[in-house]
Amino acid sequence: SQQGEEDPQALSIQEGENATMNCSYKTSINNLQWYRQNSGRGLVHLILIRSNEREKHSGRLRVTLDTSKKSSSLLITASRAADTASYFCATDASGGGNKLTFGTGTQLKVEL
Amino acid sequence: GAVVSQHPSWVICKSGTSVKIECRSLDFQATTMFWYRQFPKQSLMLMATSNEGSKATYEQGVEKDKFLINHASLTLSTLTVTSAHPEDSSFYICSAKAGEGWSYNEQFFGPGTRLTVL
Repeated sequence: SQQGEEDPQALSIQEGENATMNCSYKTSINNLQWYRQNSGRGLVHLILIRSNEREKHSGRLRVTLDTSKKSSSLLITASRAADTASYFCATDASGGGNKLTFGTGTQLKVEL
Repeated sequence: GAVVSQHPSWVICKSGTSVKIECRSLDFQATTMFWYRQFPKQSLMLMATSNEGSKATYEQGVEKDKFLINHASLTLSTLTVTSAHPEDSSFYICSAKAGEGWSYNEQFFGPGTRLTVL
């Protein structure tokens, strides 16, 4: 299946600023998930938003979902240097057997 | 929380040899496990879905005779890269889907195995 796309591909901000990443996908979904990956490491699950939800919060994270536009955004507020990582969205497509399709990812760099 | 381990965390092998990677769910039973491959600076690509006690389902373009998957128990799936070549060098990540008692859509990811084929 075709991957979703994320933008920007890379984002560099100063500590304390907010970071926004966008994800677009192509199919109907059960849910959309966001993951973080530090360089050369495994994935850390951040948040899951179901297809009938429009917004979800978890700590400094805010995720929105617009199923009519097939898009989602991840906002990290008051960023920290430790937030430096790659961020991926992943969709669980309707009727897809719970297989996840990952987006192309956004590399976030938070500078001191 | 649910923990998934992978072994080894990294492996270097000679071209033509076979390498086995293990994926274990440590504190839950995984009815389904997934195997992904990630090339440098790229996203994760699903290779195959592994169901306990049955044959794996491979994604289009993934050679089932080259990437052998065995899911012999509810806590262990193995991926064997047969006759490895340098182009198989990649980061291999597994995930496990928990069964009863967990959120239906929840997958837990292993820490990955970095394979380098010389």
